[in-house]
Amino acid sequence: GAGVSQSPSNKVTEKGKDVELRCDPISGHTALYWYRQSLGQGLEFLIYFQGNSAPDKSGLPSDRFSAERTGGSVSTLTIQRTQQEDSAVYLCASSLGSGGPRPYNEQFFGPGTRLTVL
Amino acid sequence: SQQGEEDPQALSIQEGENATMNCSYKTSINNLQWYRQNSGRGLVHLILIRSNEREKHSGRLRVTLDTSKKSSSLLITASRAADTASYFCATDGENRDDKIIFGKGTRLHILP
Repeated sequence: GAGVSQSPSNKVTEKGKDVELRCDPISGHTALYWYRQSLGQGLEFLIYFQGNSAPDKSGLPSDRFSAERTGGSVSTLTIQRTQQEDSAVYLCASSLGSGGPRPYNEQFFGPGTRLTVL
Repeated sequence: SQQGEEDPQALSIQEGENATMNCSYKTSINNLQWYRQNSGRGLVHLILIRSNEREKHSGRLRVTLDTSKKSSSLLITASRAADTASYFCATDGENRDDKIIFGKGTRLHILP
């Protein structure tokens, strides 16, 4: 089956504009994660969904960042009033979630969205 | 924080040599995973080792886990140019809702 997909693959925007990043997880995966990775750096956790709820939003860097997940599937990460420091690759991953029959916490990553804020 | 920290941050070795990367973490874990990332894009899962396991093999990969020292190592034997990538450890806490936390990674460069 299809893996995790993300769109767009690249996004260039002007400072102050809003952007929406989309993640389509693997069908049946209840857990969904958003990460941010700046050039040459590690992964910075942003938010985690279990189903449609987000038990952990602790990684969202500011109130300009929000995320939602509907129908336990697609998720969108919205960044309002983008700033140059928001430039990074935004990675989405999904996993089977708690109670899966296999190593449920193995994460499957999408290819990422490279965001550039001018 | 249960975050893993990889060591070294960067490693360059000759093709054919073995590469060893280490990961340390702070709190008790359920399991530990290693991932590889090429070209700053999506990560690929390599291997998972559970807290009650001490060693695991997968092809040229060997992972050890020492829960008493809260550390893990990833050994890549007979390295190849294609192994050039960043390698991350990720820890999963004991609680049901714990998220997986990634370290900052080791950048491995295999020299021809």
